[in-house]
Amino acid sequence: AQSVTQLDSHVSVSEGTPVLLRCNYSSSYSPSLFWYVQHPNKGLQLLLKYTSAATLVKGINGFEAEFKKSETSFHLTKPSAHMSDAAEYFCVVSDAGNNRKLIWGLGTSLAVNP
Amino acid sequence: DTGVSQDPRHKITKRGQNVTFRCDPISEHNRLYWYRQTLGQGPEFLTYFQNEAQLEKSRLLSDRFSAERPKGSFSTLEIQRTEQGDSAMYLCASSLEGPIGGQYFGPGTRLLVL
Repeated sequence: AQSVTQLDSHVSVSEGTPVLLRCNYSSSYSPSLFWYVQHPNKGLQLLLKYTSAATLVKGINGFEAEFKKSETSFHLTKPSAHMSDAAEYFCVVSDAGNNRKLIWGLGTSLAVNP
Repeated sequence: DTGVSQDPRHKITKRGQNVTFRCDPISEHNRLYWYRQTLGQGPEFLTYFQNEAQLEKSRLLSDRFSAERPKGSFSTLEIQRTEQGDSAMYLCASSLEGPIGGQYFGPGTRLLVL
């Protein structure tokens, strides 16, 4: 069965410093992996997705994530945080790789300090 | 913008009343999903449709909940005899069949049961 673990429930960074949000997954299949962002009182937005193509995936707003099969990880990074990046971030794995059902992490709350 | 839309955005109702929410997916997407999200949690899967067929229902979806997608386009989620525990954000998402796309979410309907 698929599962996903977000290793940090809260991350705080200063504006202009790098962001690292950690995610590990467990899957019996070749997984599809996603990162979603949710700003306060807003809907969920797809940041990026990995679907067995390039292992380094670039998303919107300068975010990227690297799929590492040997480490079963899919960490989200950004070189320089912006105040507008403050939000909740969810790491997600798809069920059996067919996009039928998503298995969600518990989320990481990112705070960006001026 | 041809993203996923949901109506209403907010609903306040009294316990025991029935409520109905509507979701309009992205037009070329044949899959439609309903989720529920409570404060500080990730989305919980409720049900999904492929075209007009409801293919999976979560055990979270009690007999008071029913969802339809009669023509394979928009969907409705009805909650009968609402309870205070039904208060949550109800999210709709749509996708293309297969692992490539990821699910795209609407802004959600926030339900408050008094």
